Amino acid sequence: QVQLQQSGPGLVKPSQTLSLTCAISGDSISSKTAAWNWIRQSPSRGLEWLGRTYYRSKWYSNYDVSVKSRITISPDTSKNQFSLQLNSVTPEDTAVYYCARDDDYYYYALDVWGQGTTVTVSS
Amino acid sequence: QSALTQPRSVSGSPGQSVTISCTGTSSDVGGYNYVSWYQGHPGKAPTLMIYEVSKRPSGVPDRFSGSKSGNTASLTISGLQAEDEADYYCCSYAGSYTLVFGGGTKLTVL
Repeated sequence: QVQLQQSGPGLVKPSQTLSLTCAISGDSISSKTAAWNWIRQSPSRGLEWLGRTYYRSKWYSNYDVSVKSRITISPDTSKNQFSLQLNSVTPEDTAVYYCARDDDYYYYALDVWGQGTTVTVSS
Repeated sequence: QSALTQPRSVSGSPGQSVTISCTGTSSDVGGYNYVSWYQGHPGKAPTLMIYEVSKRPSGVPDRFSGSKSGNTASLTISGLQAEDEADYYCCSYAGSYTLVFGGGTKLTVL
């Protein structure tokens, strides 16, 4: 059974970098049929897809245009996990952040989710 | 890309059917058969209910069904039960390996 376990700070100061990690069990970060996503949820904007990383003979990453200039999603094969870095955060980035998997079996549907991390951007 | 458009709320009585719409464009919902639906409860991660417009993952009751016509996808819940009260989100592939979500619909079981 695939499980995703998130970790990272719950409070980030404005203009600093938000960093979260998602540890994978029951699957491999290097799977050639899975992709690893970050999504956030806020009362004002609902669910927002932020981006994904995946391996298909080499590593790829795709990002939503709204955060493309500030975001990096990267794999860590040694620890079977992936991370989110969001730079220059503002209070608008306050949200619950989720990691999630999409697998070729479900074609761009997110079948496994992490537990969520509440991140508040405040000084 | 802009979020997909969903009604803010819908309601129905136990045993009835409700349908939640999800309207996008030809660049997302209308262009691909990769619409998924998620059920969300406060404080919990969303759960996949429908994928590829109308397919159900193992364990999802057949009371949940999905469809699509043009740029609008729909989730229908028949035989409403109290436990179906939740938030529902649609999501679509939007090209270039990106996804876009709807704003969410709160379902109230009267």
